[in-house]
Amino acid sequence: AQSVAQPEDQVNVAEGNPLTVKCTYSVSGNPYLFWYVQYPNRGLQFLLKYITGDNLVKGSYGFEAEFNKSQTSFHLKKPSALVSDSALYFCAVRESGAGKSTFGDGTTLTVKP
Amino acid sequence: DAGITQSPRHKVTETGTPVTLRCHQTENHRYMYWYRQDPGHGLRLIHYSYGVKDTDKGEVSDGYSVSRSKTEDFLLTLESATSSQTSVYFCAISEGTTGGSGNTEAFFGQGTRLTVV
Repeated sequence: AQSVAQPEDQVNVAEGNPLTVKCTYSVSGNPYLFWYVQYPNRGLQFLLKYITGDNLVKGSYGFEAEFNKSQTSFHLKKPSALVSDSALYFCAVRESGAGKSTFGDGTTLTVKP
Repeated sequence: DAGITQSPRHKVTETGTPVTLRCHQTENHRYMYWYRQDPGHGLRLIHYSYGVKDTDKGEVSDGYSVSRSKTEDFLLTLESATSSQTSVYFCAISEGTTGGSGNTEAFFGQGTRLTVV
């Protein structure tokens, strides 16, 4: 079985500061990992994914994530947060060969001016 | 934005009535999914489809059925709606690869807000 944990319901950062949204996962085989963002009253939008290769993945809007196999983590990061980054962020995992993804419960990011 | 349309966008229905939500895609993607989103539970998979007439259950499938008679349409039916099915429902699609949905990301519709009174 596959599972995802986002240990923080809420993350607050000041504009211009670096941000990290945490995600840990559990799968039996090789993981495919994804981050999505959701703005109010909208569907989820894809940010980035890790499939294989370089552990540091770069995605949309300046976000990046680091895959750490030993810690089974895939934390989302951004060097300098913007107020417009405020949204709900979801981590998802899919085991290689599986037909479906499992999503975390989401983390609300608030960036204050 | 990926071509995904959910209808209706909002619906209020009475307990015990049947409800059908429609998801239509113009991307010709193989996989289609129905999720529900509830506070404190994130996104939970109800059912998904990996081809025409090929469907499988997700983690919260009780009380729901689906059908996919065409590549572009995936219907979610609540046979007899209950208040616990009040939620926001999202359809998603992904391209997938032979033997599994592979490494492709999902694209989501705008959601349907369903209220069962």
